[in-house]
Amino acid sequence: GQNIDQPTEMTATEGAIVQINCTYQTSGFNGLFWYQQHAGEAPTFLSYNVLDGLEEKGRFSSFLSRSKGYSYLLLKELQMKDSASYLCAVMDSNYQLIWGAGTKLIIKP
Amino acid sequence: IAGITQAPTSQILAAGRRMTLRCTQDMRHNAMYWYRQDLGLGLRLIHYSNTAGTTGKGEVPDGYSVSRANTDDFPLTLASAVPSQTSVYFCASSRLAGGADTGELFFGEGSRLTVL
Repeated sequence: GQNIDQPTEMTATEGAIVQINCTYQTSGFNGLFWYQQHAGEAPTFLSYNVLDGLEEKGRFSSFLSRSKGYSYLLLKELQMKDSASYLCAVMDSNYQLIWGAGTKLIIKP
Repeated sequence: IAGITQAPTSQILAAGRRMTLRCTQDMRHNAMYWYRQDLGLGLRLIHYSNTAGTTGKGEVPDGYSVSRANTDDFPLTLASAVPSQTSVYFCASSRLAGGADTGELFFGEGSRLTVL
């Protein structure tokens, strides 16, 4: 079966750095996505990786290793507004998105 | 403001009743999707449409139906609601099928449905 694993919850301190991991097992691979979802709101797109390596976008970076079935989202200089759930999703060989359950990130002052 | 509009935002429904969740986008996106989101689970695809006039089944299609008469609208119907359909429903769209061009899905604000 297809599976996306990510931690259920993480806690970090304002101003610090946090890494959210995602491992996947899917039938085929056409890209990995990270979305941010604030409580009670819709998910919003953060990043897309299809090749191995690190993609940097401001305070957020996303890394992919296809051979290991592994990705991480790195958030730097954490702000209180970064408190949200972070969803990892993989596009399989049928171009369908398989979603992880999300990681709830709690930022403490 | 361009985007996706869902209605209603919240609804309490008696079991056995018929319910249609509406979704409209004004971005001229080809593909549209309906997901449900339940606590502790990832977003699960109910139905999708790669282009106007076509629809397909997702991971959890039973008890739901959709139609795509035009580019903008993609309603989701529960023919006879059951309590297990209590969930938050998100409509989404992408320019191309699978979001393969930019990798980006645009989501509506969600419809919270409670079936009693």
